[in-house]
Amino acid sequence: NAGVMQNPRHLVRRRGQEARLRCSPMKGHSHVYWYRQLPEEGLKFMVYLQKENIIDESGMPKERFSAEFPKEGPSILRIQQVVRGDSAAYFCASSLGTSGTYYEQYFGPGTRLTVT
Amino acid sequence: QQPVQSPQAVILREGEDAVINCSSSKALYSVHWYRQKHGEAPVFLMILLKGGEQKGHEKISASFNEKKQQSSLYLTASQLSYSGTYFCGTESGKAAGNKLTFGGGTRVLVKP
Repeated sequence: NAGVMQNPRHLVRRRGQEARLRCSPMKGHSHVYWYRQLPEEGLKFMVYLQKENIIDESGMPKERFSAEFPKEGPSILRIQQVVRGDSAAYFCASSLGTSGTYYEQYFGPGTRLTVT
Repeated sequence: QQPVQSPQAVILREGEDAVINCSSSKALYSVHWYRQKHGEAPVFLMILLKGGEQKGHEKISASFNEKKQQSSLYLTASQLSYSGTYFCGTESGKAAGNKLTFGGGTRVLVKP
């Protein structure tokens, strides 16, 4: 039973380029969450999606960042015109639901984004 | 506002016990605990729902006091594999379905 998959694992972009991060949730999970983690810091919530819907994007910067979870295919976090401050580890997590034990979130291995 | 974890770091000898606390200024619906090893993804440990329940995972257990808006994680007879950073994630509100807000983490180092 495959876990949460993310790719690429490492991504290097120059300032001004676009970064696309992909996340495939665990089989059977329809709830996807994106988090950002700076070195030696905690996880910061960015966005929560279900298939074709953004449920909560309160943690997402208003500009340059967008997320989608299409009917078919992985969830994608897109960062346009990257800046050095975007360098971080981006984790995706998925869950069966959001109630009780269904809300157990399982994390992918993360994508380490480095902006040069 | 993120929950506050204490202590920020703890060093243990194998077999010793430790307690990690997680406090919130908001009313909590659930508390989630994760452990992350350096360079790896956070790993789910347990979820506690309001109602003051306790749970256990191997020799790691936790309690949730909704009146005090805090949770505690107990590491009993620690093993080398318990080393890592422990994060609590809190869900605020009166019902399910809200985002998790994570604390700053507690670094645990278990020495032989």
